[in-house]
Amino acid sequence: GESVGLHLPTLSVQEGDNSIINCAYSNSASDYFIWYKQESGKGPQFIIDIRSNMDKRQGQRVTVLLNKTVKHLSLQIAATQPGDSAVYFCAENYSNSGYALNFGKGTSLLVTP
Amino acid sequence: EAQVTQNPRYLITVTGKKLTVTCSQNMNHEYMSWYRQDPGLGLRQIYYSMNVEVTDKGDVPEGYKVSRKEKRNFPLILESPSPNQTSLYFCASSLVNNSPLHFGNGTRLTVT
Repeated sequence: GESVGLHLPTLSVQEGDNSIINCAYSNSASDYFIWYKQESGKGPQFIIDIRSNMDKRQGQRVTVLLNKTVKHLSLQIAATQPGDSAVYFCAENYSNSGYALNFGKGTSLLVTP
Repeated sequence: EAQVTQNPRYLITVTGKKLTVTCSQNMNHEYMSWYRQDPGLGLRQIYYSMNVEVTDKGDVPEGYKVSRKEKRNFPLILESPSPNQTSLYFCASSLVNNSPLHFGNGTRLTVT
């Protein structure tokens, strides 16, 4: 079956650098994508979303890029801070008739001082 | 404060002893869902509900039941828990389709 995946399971960056977390999806019918952050002992926290009619969306220090041609999603975090250390998940809505999010396995981001 | 509340946070039980994990949201959301999170497998959907009295199976519904008698509550029921249901469970809700899901803080269940 089609699935959402992540290119890198772990990512280590220095404080102040920019981070890029990548995600590949294979369901061309997916029309909605979300990035979540999960800290230890907590539930996933919404970061940013994007619909398939867009290719870029910016939030506070974060940008999501969507490339439908190659079915690729990325999350860019500017000026990464220690508080950004967490596991990041991408998710796609793959349901044709409703709302069913398929989550990737996650990337662990470690920010070092 | 807008939130999804799950109880209990931690639960240890024995095989076959029925249990219920409660979930409540105060955001007037139509859509609610249950996920389980396991190492190496990520988040997998158990059941979801598009509105009151409407529930549907997700990807891994076997061994679980849900009900949606009220908009704010969506309990997860394990009639006869087994050790393979040991997992971290999350309840989530959203306003409508293609809106961000808001997650609770999870329930860690151990079945011995």
